[in-house]
Amino acid sequence: GENVEQHPSTLSVQEGDSAVIKCTYSDSASNYFPWYKQELGKRPQLIIDIRSNVGEKKDQRIAVTLNKTAKHFSLHITETQPEDSAVYFCAAIANSKLTFGKGITLSVRP
Amino acid sequence: KAGVTQTPRYLIKTRGQQVTLSCSPISGHRSVSWYQQTPGQGLQFLFEYFSETQRNKGNFPGRFSGRQFSNSRSEMNVSTLELGDSALYLCASRRQGAEYNEQFFGPGTRLTVL
Repeated sequence: GENVEQHPSTLSVQEGDSAVIKCTYSDSASNYFPWYKQELGKRPQLIIDIRSNVGEKKDQRIAVTLNKTAKHFSLHITETQPEDSAVYFCAAIANSKLTFGKGITLSVRP
Repeated sequence: KAGVTQTPRYLIKTRGQQVTLSCSPISGHRSVSWYQQTPGQGLQFLFEYFSETQRNKGNFPGRFSGRQFSNSRSEMNVSTLELGDSALYLCASRRQGAEYNEQFFGPGTRLTVL
């Protein structure tokens, strides 16, 4: 089955800096890659997604890039703010099954 | 429109017991998926139900089972609880034909096994 790896497991950045979170996947049949943000004590919420026929997608301060050849995709957050502090999960869908990475804790220092 | 709801929100059980968790999807949503969230393993897919049928299943032992009712409400059951079953159990719903970018999570049930 699909295996999604997420690196690093924790990330700390200064407010205003950029943050990059990387994920790799194993199943070349995966064709959809969502990113979820989970604030402490709250439910995961989709923040951005990308399909396998697209290389990059941007939504205000966040962007996602996909490299199908290398089987990795990344989340980019620019001009980070304290409210960006949360756990971020990447995921991949293959055969209608959603597989998540283990999550990364992003801390934005004010 | 009300969001996905889960009951109970918190639960404490002892090893060997069994537990049933409930999920009520957003009105009109017929697909319900269940996930287990633990600090070590992150979010793991348990199973998905659609129109009262299990459509997909993750890699969990047979102690984990579920069902869906005609009103789309879903329950999951864990029998013979183990300490490692302590986790946040999340359900998520989406409407027929919707893709995962239209999947909404419930608040979760925090299960503690002593």
